[in-house]
Amino acid sequence: ETGVTQTPRHLVMGMTNKKSLKCEQHLGHNAMYWYKQSAKKPLELMFVYSLEERVENNSVPSRFSPECPNSSHLFLHLHTLQPEDSALYLCASSQEGPAIGTEAFFGQGTRLTVV
Amino acid sequence: SQQGEEDPQALSIQEGENATMNCSYKTSINNLQWYRQNSGRGLVHLILIRSNEREKHSGRLRVTLDTSKKSSSLLITASRAADTASYFCAMINAGNNRKLIWGLGTSLAVNP
Repeated sequence: ETGVTQTPRHLVMGMTNKKSLKCEQHLGHNAMYWYKQSAKKPLELMFVYSLEERVENNSVPSRFSPECPNSSHLFLHLHTLQPEDSALYLCASSQEGPAIGTEAFFGQGTRLTVV
Repeated sequence: SQQGEEDPQALSIQEGENATMNCSYKTSINNLQWYRQNSGRGLVHLILIRSNEREKHSGRLRVTLDTSKKSSSLLITASRAADTASYFCAMINAGNNRKLIWGLGTSLAVNP
């Protein structure tokens, strides 16, 4: 275990559903990230939070909505998703923000299937 | 494209052999990191090498960085079946607008 916990591990949802992914880190890190991993594509950075403030939003569709209530928790709220949103969603944290380039600690991921 | 490129895309070797994976990139970098990912799971950080370093070791891992060629290699010596995984390079570009740029990964299979 890396100290970053994601729930659920697997999620199947219909296109009209609303669901949330949860991430929790127990490492005292200041930055948290959401990544999307699809087959045969590089890891896509979706959102970055540094000290609970969103510092990066990489043109992610509004059907994905992040929330960072405190430095230990990060959520990704999902609504009206499309089948192409099916992927492995990874949460990560790092001691400092992305500009510093410290190592990232990843959760085990949520395998999302949109039907 | 800013992404890193890794080769080979897939590598299959026998236990005990060495495995070498390469990563090339296009921008100037601040540092370069290697990660391992077991099937369908999260990534695990292996090693970080800074732009002013040329070689780094960690156990059976050896990473080299050649900034003039914009490339890095990861060598796993005396491979084990448990090394079977995908390996990714990731780099922080230099400059003010720093981003973490990921490669597509090399899928390594170590056969017992």
